[in-house]
Amino acid sequence: DAGVIQSPRHEVTEMGQEVTLRCKPISGHNSLFWYRQTMMRGLELLIYFNNNVPIDDSGMPEDRFSAKMPNASFSTLKIQPSEPRDSAVYFCASSLVRGGGTDTQYFGPGTRLTVL
Amino acid sequence: AQSVTQLGSHVSVSEGALVLLRCNYSSSVPPYLFWYVQYPNQGLQLLLKYTTGATLVKGINGFEAEFKKSETSFHLTKPSAHMSDAAEYFCAVSTPGTYKYIFGTGTRLKVLA
Repeated sequence: DAGVIQSPRHEVTEMGQEVTLRCKPISGHNSLFWYRQTMMRGLELLIYFNNNVPIDDSGMPEDRFSAKMPNASFSTLKIQPSEPRDSAVYFCASSLVRGGGTDTQYFGPGTRLTVL
Repeated sequence: AQSVTQLGSHVSVSEGALVLLRCNYSSSVPPYLFWYVQYPNQGLQLLLKYTTGATLVKGINGFEAEFKKSETSFHLTKPSAHMSDAAEYFCAVSTPGTYKYIFGTGTRLKVLA
């Protein structure tokens, strides 16, 4: 299995530009998570999808952030317009959630975003 | 509300020495507990997890952790550190019936030759 795939691995953009991060979860998994990792705030859950439906987006910082999951094999996280404080590593993780709470999350390699 | 506290943001050990990374949790219900490792420029990888049953959990790469309810702890240990263990380690908690992990702030392990 290829694991969770994220692209791009690195993104450098200027303030005000639109940024789109992409994720391909592990085949057969029914849940997808987007996280943001910064030195100051650690690892934060941004949004959780189950069966392609957003279940919990309470971690999305503000309206500039949006996420979609049009099908079971693809998700995007978009930032528009981007700001320097959005600079972070963004991780996508997938899991086969059975509702028990014990399900392992499998993380992608992350996208390092730098907003100048 | 659940929370996780990792004591020590940086830990240094000599190669061959015992590794001890501390994790304390707070949960109003019996928790599920996880340790993840993050190598440089990589995503997080599961080391081990405690759900129910035996309180001493063995994971990959020789790591183990013991769930101690009375101390609300889930410390990670390895008898003998190897240079390849240098990484950042995250403790996480979840509860039955939920999908959400609460991660600690991480402990960066440095192994000295």
